[in-house]
Amino acid sequence: KAGVTQTPRYLIKTRGQQVTLSCSPISGHRSVSWYQQTPGQGLQFLFEYFSETQRNKGNFPGRFSGRQFSNSRSEMNVSTLELGDSALYLCASSPSTGGDQPQHFGDGTRLSIL
Amino acid sequence: AQTVTQSQPEMSVQEAETVTLSCTYDTSESDYYLFWYKQPPSRQMILVIRQEAYKQQNATENRFSVNFQKAAKSFSLKISDSQLGDAAMYFCAYRSFGSGYSTLTFGKGTMLLVSP
Repeated sequence: KAGVTQTPRYLIKTRGQQVTLSCSPISGHRSVSWYQQTPGQGLQFLFEYFSETQRNKGNFPGRFSGRQFSNSRSEMNVSTLELGDSALYLCASSPSTGGDQPQHFGDGTRLSIL
Repeated sequence: AQTVTQSQPEMSVQEAETVTLSCTYDTSESDYYLFWYKQPPSRQMILVIRQEAYKQQNATENRFSVNFQKAAKSFSLKISDSQLGDAAMYFCAYRSFGSGYSTLTFGKGTMLLVSP
């Protein structure tokens, strides 16, 4: 069974631009969560989607948005990029939401802002 | 809000030795899940072990075991017979039990160095 796939693996953007990251969950998984990982702040939760609905949202500005499609694939969008948005963005999927469902992570997208 | 604290930024161990990574958390909930994840240089987060708070018995997965002290809100990871492949960043994580969310709250991580 294929794991969680995140594309692209690396991305370089400049301030003010916008970016879209993609995440394909494990087949059959319907819950997708996004995390931002930086050396200073560690791993921070961005949002969680289940059945195309945002179920939970972390403490990030409105420039960060996401969506989930009917096939459970998810995209994350960041507009008006700032230097502080440079980070590793991790996507995780699980069969359902909540409970003891372990989350399976992708390899992440490394976003660098110049 | 829940918080997770890992007080050891870095730990070192020699091959075949045993090492314990510390984790404490703060919560007002009585039921929850705790996890240890490993992140090698390849970046992928890998689930090492999980513990349900309502279970008294400490979880064990091969060379990995936990010491779960609910009253003390402590959740340490013991790695026995350490191997070079165990070198990675280790994250302790918390999840609420009945919220219906999958959200994980992570600690800052402990970098484990393994020497031959």
